[in-house]
Amino acid sequence: AQSVTQPDIHITVSEGASLELRCNYSYGATPYLFWYVQSPGQGLQLLLKYFSGDTLVQGIKGFEAEFKRSQSSFNLRKPSVHWSDAAEYFCAVGGTGGGNKLTFGTGTQLKVEL
Amino acid sequence: DTGVSQNPRHKITKRGQNVTFRCDPISEHNRLYWYRQTLGQGPEFLTYFQNEAQLEKSRLLSDRFSAERPKGSFSTLEIQRTEQGDSAMYLCASSPQGSWSAEAFFGQGTRLTVV
Repeated sequence: AQSVTQPDIHITVSEGASLELRCNYSYGATPYLFWYVQSPGQGLQLLLKYFSGDTLVQGIKGFEAEFKRSQSSFNLRKPSVHWSDAAEYFCAVGGTGGGNKLTFGTGTQLKVEL
Repeated sequence: DTGVSQNPRHKITKRGQNVTFRCDPISEHNRLYWYRQTLGQGPEFLTYFQNEAQLEKSRLLSDRFSAERPKGSFSTLEIQRTEQGDSAMYLCASSPQGSWSAEAFFGQGTRLTVV
């Protein structure tokens, strides 16, 4: 069965500091990996996705993520966090091996201190 | 059409009542998904349509839950005899047919509170 682990429930960073959110996945086939962001009362917005090719993927809002197959990880990074980045971040895995659905992690709540 | 639309945004109902939610996907998208999100958790897959065909259902979708997409456009999710454990955010998403490179666009969700 596919699964996603986001070990950090809450993270607090200062504005302008760098950010890394961790994501580990379990999947029996080639994974398709996603990061979504959810602001209060809002739906999920896709930040970036990985299917194949270059293991470092760029997304919107200055985010990037690196796929490391040997570590089963897909960590999200941003070099300089802005106060507007405060939100909840979800990592998700999917693919043809798991049917047409996404399996999400439990999320990481990001707080940004001014 | 600016995105996936879900109605109502909020619903409070008494235990035992039936509720129905509606999802209008992005017009050219023929794939439609329902997810449920409880507090402190990530969204959990419920069911998936391709056009009007319901192709996959999660074990989370008990007999009290039914989803339809009669003309391959909008979809409804009905919960019969609601229970307090049904309280959650119900999210709808749509994507165009094709490979997995297609992005799933999510609506803002319907928050259900069962009292």
